[in-house]
Amino acid sequence: ETGVTQTPRHLVMGMTNKKSLKCEQHLGHNAMYWYKQSAKKPLELMFVYSLEERVENNSVPSRFSPECPNSSHLFLHLHTLQPEDSALYLCASSQDQGLAGTDTQYFGPGTRLTVL
Amino acid sequence: LAKTTQPISMDSYEGQEVNITCSHNNIATNDYITWYQQFPSQGPRFIIQGYKTKVTNEVASLFIPADRKSSTLSLPRVSLSDTAVYYCLVCPSGAGSYQLTFGKGTKLSVIP
Repeated sequence: ETGVTQTPRHLVMGMTNKKSLKCEQHLGHNAMYWYKQSAKKPLELMFVYSLEERVENNSVPSRFSPECPNSSHLFLHLHTLQPEDSALYLCASSQDQGLAGTDTQYFGPGTRLTVL
Repeated sequence: LAKTTQPISMDSYEGQEVNITCSHNNIATNDYITWYQQFPSQGPRFIIQGYKTKVTNEVASLFIPADRKSSTLSLPRVSLSDTAVYYCLVCPSGAGSYQLTFGKGTKLSVIP
């Protein structure tokens, strides 16, 4: 247990569906992240939130919409996805934005998403 | 962001010491070296971090030479449960330092 939980762990959806991924951290951290990990590709940073404000959006398509209602919760809203969006979506948190260079990111177990 | 290079894969027998070397030739003065471990279908897990010389914790040791252009993760007496992908990252300080860049990592297979 890393103190970061994600639900659901597995999700299968059609291209016209709308679904949401949820992440919760119990570590009192100020920063939260969404990553995407496709098969045989490195982890890709998607979004970064610090103190509930989005500070980074790495050119992610608008069919992915993040939401951070408070410093403990992070959502990723999904709509009209494509089959190539099938991947492991990982949430992480850290104490700050890594300003010290020693700020460790704690990852959740991920949501395995399959788009049909 | 400093680029890292590490072997794609390694095999080891149980009980052996495993050393995984990572090169990071353009590491900056304020950068830290961090290693993560990832099991299949799970998120990466922090193992160890260092700036220079040697760092040891209950899981591993990290050796960093004086020029800091490389680092070596040492896993003592590996077991089957150490089979995982190991990532070497260079973590910058200051603004934008949340941008962890994960490469392809080193897939360690421990053989009985």
